[in-house]
This record gives sequence, structure tokens and C-alpha cells, in this order.
Amino acid sequence: GESVGLHLPTLSVQEGDNSIINCAYSNSASDYFIWYKQESGKGPQFIIDIRSNMDKRQGQRVTVLLNKTVKHLSLQIAATQPGDSAVYFCAEKKPKATGNQFYFGTGTSLTVIP
Amino acid sequence: GAGVSQSPRYKVTKRGQDVALRCDPISGHVSLYWYRQALGQGPEFLTYFNYEAQQDKSGLPNDRFSAERPEGSISTLTIQRTEQRDSAMYRCASSPTHQEEAFFGQGTRLTVV
Repeated sequence: GESVGLHLPTLSVQEGDNSIINCAYSNSASDYFIWYKQESGKGPQFIIDIRSNMDKRQGQRVTVLLNKTVKHLSLQIAATQPGDSAVYFCAEKKPKATGNQFYFGTGTSLTVIP
Repeated sequence: GAGVSQSPRYKVTKRGQDVALRCDPISGHVSLYWYRQALGQGPEFLTYFNYEAQQDKSGLPNDRFSAERPEGSISTLTIQRTEQRDSAMYRCASSPTHQEEAFFGQGTRLTVV
């Protein structure tokens, strides 16, 4: 299953399928991006990050792709599990930030159907 | 403690009252961030500290909002003369240094009635 992030904030997938969550960011000067997972009642939790000098980064069952030309990020989750059900946010580091101040997207709600 | 601790977890206040929200970061973490999260939205950056120095307060909505971290550990976000539009989840995050991953607390749910 695939979402367009801001335009389709809800994504439902069957357990075991791959999920793709998309995000458009706003500032071409942003050089660092993070995907966060937020479960109900909890704070956002770091999943994976990528710097602007990379196009792709892989973690355990997750891959982030960065297309700087069109200012687009995607998060791919392989073999989606019920525990992956959550809201996923992309976040871009504020340009010229001295620390890790981030702008968050609206989020995409992922529901995994057993 | 094991994680970022925020108190109170829930706060209901009347319009016009002042509120103070507390954040106890992970021990030893140098950087501390305050965010506000409206229902169904992503967190919105408010302010950032490195040690006791407030490095960036560009996200504070107006002068009713202020934050401090006097000893470089616990931080307090204060909202004066609260308004209904201030109702939101207020989240604190901390990181070991200013360039490392930030860990979020469970937040304080503020309701202004």
C-alpha cells in the first residue's frame, strides 16, 4: 500500500505486505530528515534518518528514499506487522539550525490489517 | 529516570490563568526542545536550549509564551493569560548533544476552558 502523506493521511495494508508512506518537504535548503513513528498516547519515536548527501538509507525492515529534485521523501516498511500500526511523521531539519530543530509534516496513519 | 519526564500529564485551566509545564530531560542530555502538537497534527517547534542557553525561540507563538532552563537540566514552559487556542499537547524532547537524536516525553495535555 502507498499514501501520498498530506493528501491521503490514512493508509491500510494487509499484514505481510510492504508499505510506502510519502512526504513532501518544503525547503530545498534542508539537509537532514527523520522519520518518526508515533503510537497512540506516546511521543514520537525515531525510526530512521537521512542526510541530503544520500538518496537512500536502509534500516531493519525500513528504507528511506530521498529525492531532492522534487523535495520528496518516502518511508518503505517491508513485511508490515500489526505493531507497525501508528502515525508516521516525516520531519525536516530547520535550515541553519544550531541544533536539531525540526519541522514536522502532518503525518500518515498506518493501519495494519491482520 | 529512564526517559524524558513531563509534568503534569494533564492540566485543565481557566482562560486567563497562567500555567507552568515542567520537563525533566534524560540525565546528562545537553539539548532540550519544546514542541506543541495539536490533535491530528505533527509537532510544532517552539524553542530549544543548549545547556541553560536558549538558542532558538523563534517558534514561540507570542510573548505570552516563555521558557527557561536555569541550571541546564529541568526546563519550564510558561504560558501567561492562557487562551482556548493554547489547548494542545506540549511535548519536550532531549538529546545528548545538539546534533544527536532527540527523545520525546509523553507530553502534557493542556486544556484551556
